[in-house]
Amino acid sequence: DAGVTQSPTHLIKTRGQQVTLRCSPKSGHDTVSWYQQALGQGPQFIFQYYEEEERQRGNFPDRFSGHQFPNYSSELNVNALLLGDSALYLCASSSLSRPQETQYFGPGTRLLVL
Amino acid sequence: GESVGLHLPTLSVQEGDNSIINCAYSNSASDYFIWYKQESGKGPQFIIDIRSNMDKRQGQRVTVLLNKTVKHLSLQIAATQPGDSAVYFCAENIDFGNEKLTFGTGTRLTIIP
Repeated sequence: DAGVTQSPTHLIKTRGQQVTLRCSPKSGHDTVSWYQQALGQGPQFIFQYYEEEERQRGNFPDRFSGHQFPNYSSELNVNALLLGDSALYLCASSSLSRPQETQYFGPGTRLLVL
Repeated sequence: GESVGLHLPTLSVQEGDNSIINCAYSNSASDYFIWYKQESGKGPQFIIDIRSNMDKRQGQRVTVLLNKTVKHLSLQIAATQPGDSAVYFCAENIDFGNEKLTFGTGTRLTIIP
C-alpha cells in the first residue's frame, strides 16, 4: 500500500515564475492538506481540500492556490514566485470519515526560488 | 496569533538513556496534540497523539504527557537509539480529526553513541 507520494522531489525556479506541485494521497484517504516548511521551522498550514473544494485555508496569499481531482489527488500552484517561497512543501492526507486517524505526510517537494 | 512552541531547540542524549522533549502551547481551545518525528529529507512521521481529555498515553518506547493546567506537552522516549536522532515537532489542533495542524519550531534530538 503506497503512502502519500509527491512530485517532483526537487524544483528550481526563478522569481516571478509559476510552479505546480503534485500529491497523491494514501489509499483510502479523501482529504489532502498542504503545508509549507521553511528551513529550520515547523510546517505551516496552507490549505486543505475535500470533495474537490478548499475546505480550510491558512494565512497565505492568493498566489497560493490548489485543486483536488476526482481521484483525490491534489495540486498546489504558486504564482509570481518570491525568494521567500523557497521551502519544503509537504502534502498530508487523511480521511474525514475516519477522524480518529491522523494525517500522513509525504516526503515533500523542495522548492528553491532564485 | 497563538502557536505551539518548544522550550529547547536542541537536545543531546547518550544512547540508552531516556529522552524528554518538551512543548508549550498557548491555545487553551486545542483539543488534540500530536508528536511527529522528521528525519533529514523526509516528511514528518506520526509518533503518538493525545486528546485533551487524557493526561498520559503510552506507545512503544514513547510516552506523551499532557498538562492542561500549564499548557505543556512532553514526549518521553525510553532507551534512545541512534535511529531516534531526528527533529521532533509537537502539533496541535482545535478539532480532533482532520483540521489544520499548528506546528512548533521543533527540537533536534541527537543521540550520542
